[in-house]
Amino acid sequence: AQSVAQPEDQVNVAEGNPLTVKCTYSVSGNPYLFWYVQYPNRGLQFLLKYITGDNLVKGSYGFEAEFNKSQTSFHLKKPSALVSDSALYFCAVRDIIMGSYIPTFGRGTSLIVHP
Amino acid sequence: DAGITQSPRYKITETGRQVTLMCHQTWSHSYMFWYRQDLGHGLRLIYYSAAADITDKGEVPDGYVVSRSKTENFPLTLESATRSQTSVYFCASSEAGTANTQYFGPGTRLTVL
Repeated sequence: AQSVAQPEDQVNVAEGNPLTVKCTYSVSGNPYLFWYVQYPNRGLQFLLKYITGDNLVKGSYGFEAEFNKSQTSFHLKKPSALVSDSALYFCAVRDIIMGSYIPTFGRGTSLIVHP
Repeated sequence: DAGITQSPRYKITETGRQVTLMCHQTWSHSYMFWYRQDLGHGLRLIYYSAAADITDKGEVPDGYVVSRSKTENFPLTLESATRSQTSVYFCASSEAGTANTQYFGPGTRLTVL
């Protein structure tokens, strides 16, 4: 079975400070991992994904995520937060061995960036 | 327009009525999905489809019906709406392949009175 956890319902950070949104996963084999962002009254938008290769993945809007197999984590990061980054962030996982086309989503983390 | 669209964007209906939410994508993606988003529950999968005429249940299918006669369309029907089906509904699509990204529509906000 595949599962993903976002341990924080909300993350608060001051503009200009680095931000981290946490995600941990559980799969039978190796994972495909995704981050999506949802702005108010909008659908989810793809940010980045890890398939294989370099553990540091760079995505849209200056975001990056680090895949850590030993800690089964895929935390989303940005060096300097903007107020416009305030949104709901979702982590998702697919299990490669299971060949699942159906991702499992975390419950989402609300990121609030204060001016 | 290219992309994935949903209609209507907002809908108010009454308990017991039938409601159909439409989803249309222009990419010819194989896979299409319906999710509902509720506070405290994140995204929950209702139904998905691997291709035209192939559909399967997700996590919360009760009270919903889907069909997919054409690759580009994936309507979701609430046969007899209940207040517990008040939610925001998202349609998504993706190409076949487990590494592929999902693309989401803008959502339909449904209120059942």
